[in-house]
Amino acid sequence: DADVTQTPRNRITKTGKRIMLECSQTKGHDRMYWYRQDPGLGLQLIYYSFDVKDINKGEISDGYSVSRQAQAKFSLSLESAIPNQTALYFCATSVGQGLDTQYFGPGTRLTVL
Amino acid sequence: QKEVEQNSGPLSVPEGAIASLNCTYSDRGSQSFFWYRQYSGKSPELIMSIYSNGDKEDGRFTAQLNKASQYVSLLIRDSQPSDSATYLCAVTSYNQGGKLIFGQGTELSVKP
Repeated sequence: DADVTQTPRNRITKTGKRIMLECSQTKGHDRMYWYRQDPGLGLQLIYYSFDVKDINKGEISDGYSVSRQAQAKFSLSLESAIPNQTALYFCATSVGQGLDTQYFGPGTRLTVL
Repeated sequence: QKEVEQNSGPLSVPEGAIASLNCTYSDRGSQSFFWYRQYSGKSPELIMSIYSNGDKEDGRFTAQLNKASQYVSLLIRDSQPSDSATYLCAVTSYNQGGKLIFGQGTELSVKP
């Protein structure tokens, strides 16, 4: 089984709809991250969490919110989806404590019509 | 100036050649450096990490770090068509709370 899983893998939704993307990990890592990727723009950090009680905004958090339900689960919500949120979304985890290697989930392809 | 910069490419090399990918970074406090490979539509996969000046070799891959010049490079020897992907350079700085900062990636194409 994959260490970092994301659901759904693909989603098509309409403008104005609320949508939640979920991430689960079995690696036992404390740190979790949400990124979006647009063609030619690399990975942009949306939110990150260093433990269950520590959630921080990344560089592009507007229009997004997150919830860290447990060490293993980190959800990303789009409260009112808009077309320019169409992108590939990745969840990642890391051990922390100076060990910074991040491990990525398979991604969610989101299309907002 | 972007915090982590890479040439977007595409970089095209013939099969069997050495591919050289370069990355520069702006934060002198950066301490950890990573190369990820990403196939189209797939998630990034870690291929190398390097933390101190010099070279680090792993199979056909060699990462090179020069902190004084603020650059990190990746060499791929005996390039194969299966190496065709986008290569992402990423840098961690404790000055930025330990976040990983990614470059925009270099697309590599290995021609048979």
